[in-house]
Amino acid sequence: EAQVTQNPRYLITVTGKKLTVTCSQNMNHEYMSWYRQDPGLGLRQIYYSMNVEVTDKGDVPEGYKVSRKEKRNFPLILESPSPNQTSLYFCASSPGTGSGQPQHFGDGTRLSIL
Amino acid sequence: GESVGLHLPTLSVQEGDNSIINCAYSNSASDYFIWYKQESGKGPQFIIDIRSNMDKRQGQRVTVLLNKTVKHLSLQIAATQPGDSAVYFCAEGGNTGKLIFGQGTTLQVKP
Repeated sequence: EAQVTQNPRYLITVTGKKLTVTCSQNMNHEYMSWYRQDPGLGLRQIYYSMNVEVTDKGDVPEGYKVSRKEKRNFPLILESPSPNQTSLYFCASSPGTGSGQPQHFGDGTRLSIL
Repeated sequence: GESVGLHLPTLSVQEGDNSIINCAYSNSASDYFIWYKQESGKGPQFIIDIRSNMDKRQGQRVTVLLNKTVKHLSLQIAATQPGDSAVYFCAEGGNTGKLIFGQGTTLQVKP
């Protein structure tokens, strides 16, 4: 089954404790992206990757890192999490960019930073 | 700046009626526009998209209309069913793959 898989689905942790949210897609997609979803602010892009070893900042990259060492994986790293990073996070992938290549989303990771 | 907005946060319709969800956008340079459906506890699910050089596109029970003159996008759902209850987002995109999402409209279908 074609899918985008995120882990963990839920995490409660404390300020400053490094964490990684993994994202994997099995569709051989070139494009991958991370979003955060907050009430009243909608979905905002954090980072994106057009291909292996190519990453770029989205609208809200501060406090996050990503890597794209292989095509299927695009982990999101919070080196020193803070409470304002408490949010619902989505990973997405698409074959490429542009019309006709819609992004497929994972089911989300809910992070709570205390 | 860029923004995509939906006119109403909540829309309530009777089962079997048609639904129309509206969206206004501000970036006239966007290449395409997309509608997503998000059910509780799940990620956004692609419904339909439309290129900027089109004004109408139809799918199964859904139609998207694009009016570039007034920068307006709408999603029409025919014969709305209880399973259509969800939050609907419009988004605009360009060749970088970046999507700019609107705030979302919650569609409630009354039996």
